[in-house]
Amino acid sequence: GAGVSQSPSNKVTEKGKDVELRCDPISGHTALYWYRQSLGQGLEFLIYFQGNSAPDKSGLPSDRFSAERTGGSVSTLTIQRTQQEDSAVYLCASSLQQTPKLFFGSGTQLSVL
Amino acid sequence: GENVEQHPSTLSVQEGDSAVIKCTYSDSASNYFPWYKQELGKGPQLIIDIRSNVGEKKDQRIAVTLNKTAKHFSLHITETQPEDSAVYFCAALPAPGKLIFGQGTTLQVKP
Repeated sequence: GAGVSQSPSNKVTEKGKDVELRCDPISGHTALYWYRQSLGQGLEFLIYFQGNSAPDKSGLPSDRFSAERTGGSVSTLTIQRTQQEDSAVYLCASSLQQTPKLFFGSGTQLSVL
Repeated sequence: GENVEQHPSTLSVQEGDSAVIKCTYSDSASNYFPWYKQELGKGPQLIIDIRSNVGEKKDQRIAVTLNKTAKHFSLHITETQPEDSAVYFCAALPAPGKLIFGQGTTLQVKP
């Protein structure tokens, strides 16, 4: 595709529910990244995939957060039993292998009521 | 782990003036320092980057300088225009795939 695609663009959910956020990277990009951006804050690193494997999961805030990537393309970030503090914009990015030049999607705005 | 500090948090300049944003990092293993621009409702976009073996890099009105000894790097925008108004983020790469961002600077360019 022309760019990194994220869906949904907005998600409102109730506290305690599970949510799935989807990221479709640029075609041919083998590396994929998830970041979280809270209101007025910087970007918080969550997880990084090289192909289907995640060498670095150190940024996941708790065991309620998980991510997977299948077929070296689409990735899903799952948040179980959502809490109000999970409300944020979740950004996905992709890059070519061996280069740290990230291309970001427009993000998913998650609101937990 | 790596910690990136960015200053100022907000910056207001008159059109045509220069703007400077500064960042410091803590991990001497970091060897790549990009700058991203984020407009409202969009994801960040890479505008310029510099590697640790280079002290300065320019691209038209934008320049970045790096002082490895002091562990700080800066973004310089000359002849600012209203369309430069956005949030700017610096970042450092201490390990493959793990780009660590600063807290961001909101730049306002007044016409």
